[in-house]
Order: sequence, then C-alpha cells, then structure tokens
Amino acid sequence: QKEVEQNSGPLSVPEGAIASLNCTYSDRGSQSFFWYRQYSGKSPELIMSIYSNGDKEDGRFTAQLNKASQYVSLLIRDSQPSDSATYLCAVYSGTYKYIFGTGTRLKVLA
Amino acid sequence: DGGITQSPKYLFRKEGQNVTLSCEQNLNHDAMYWYRQDPGQGLRLIYYSQIVNDFQKGDIAEGYSVSREKKESFPLTVTSAQKNPTAFYLCASREARVSNEKLFFGSGTQLSVL
Repeated sequence: QKEVEQNSGPLSVPEGAIASLNCTYSDRGSQSFFWYRQYSGKSPELIMSIYSNGDKEDGRFTAQLNKASQYVSLLIRDSQPSDSATYLCAVYSGTYKYIFGTGTRLKVLA
Repeated sequence: DGGITQSPKYLFRKEGQNVTLSCEQNLNHDAMYWYRQDPGQGLRLIYYSQIVNDFQKGDIAEGYSVSREKKESFPLTVTSAQKNPTAFYLCASREARVSNEKLFFGSGTQLSVL
C-alpha cells in the first residue's frame, strides 16, 4: 500500500516566523510532488509543485525534495495569520493516480 | 474564467435515494477525478477518467457510479448502496501532458444524510 505520511499537528508558530511542514512517502517510483493549502470548508488550492531534488522557491514558499530519503518539505517564511490552514502533501507516481497525506494543520499566532 | 464548477454546494440525501453531484470544467483537461474527504482524513479516490467514455474505479468505488459522455463533464451518482455517504466531495482535473501532472480542484459539494 503506497502511503504519504504527515504529522497532523497542529503546528503553532508565531507571526513572522518560519513554518516547516514535512511529508514522507513510501513509493520510490514517485515522480511529482505537490503541496496544497486547504482552508476549513474549502477545497484544496495548489501552492507548490516540485519534480527534482533540491529546493524550489516561490515567494514566501520553498519546497524541498530529497528522493533518496523519500522526504518532501514546505517552508513558509514570514508566516501570517492568513497562512493558518491545513497543508496537504500529494505524490504522483504515474498511472494517473495521486496519493494524498492526511494533512498538517498550521496555526499562525498573531 | 476557466475553472472547475461543482454543484450543488450543499446536498441532502434521504434514505434509499440516489443523488447526483455535478462537475463541469472548461479547462480543456482530459483527465477528471472524484475524491471523498472525511473530517481529519486525506482525500480518497472514488473514480477517475482519462478520456471521454472511459473511467476507472478508485480505492472506494463501491456505492458510487460515474459517466463521462463529454470531455467537460464528469457527474458522480451516490447510490442508495453507499451506506455512509456523508462527506465532502471534490472533483478535480488535469492536463494529459506527461510533463504536467498538476491537479486542480473544484469548490466541492458537502453531502449530508437526512
């Protein structure tokens, strides 16, 4: 059974701090990795995608991928109260199927 | 505006009733998906379709049915055989290009049992 694991949280960080969210996956054949943000009662919104080892930066967000360790992370710099949400890690292994983690709830304290 | 439209936003089902959730996209995406989300849980795949007139069962297809008669539309029917249908249902789509596997979601339908 292919799995994606995330700590459910909540992860609490003060406003302006760096929030670090982590995800591990079991399928070594995984090709593409995604981070979604989901506010309560809303649908997931794609915020980052990463396909190769290393870091990818987009504004205040940085995604990090280490395929050898089967580990993906998301860093949010200068965290704002509006970043408070659940962050879902998703892994694509081909054959049109995606595996989602259960999400990490982030709380940014003003 | 291009996007994925799900309707209705809220839906109530009576015992023994079939209900249909609508999903329409104007992104010209080939692949479409239906997921179910229960509180505190990840997304579970119900059905997916790669092209018109073709669809595949996901991990929790029992009690559900779909059709894909048009590229733009992928309706989901929750049948009376689904004994625990209360959940948040999400439709998603993506391009067929191998190099672009980004998955985009509609706004969701919350289904509850009366």
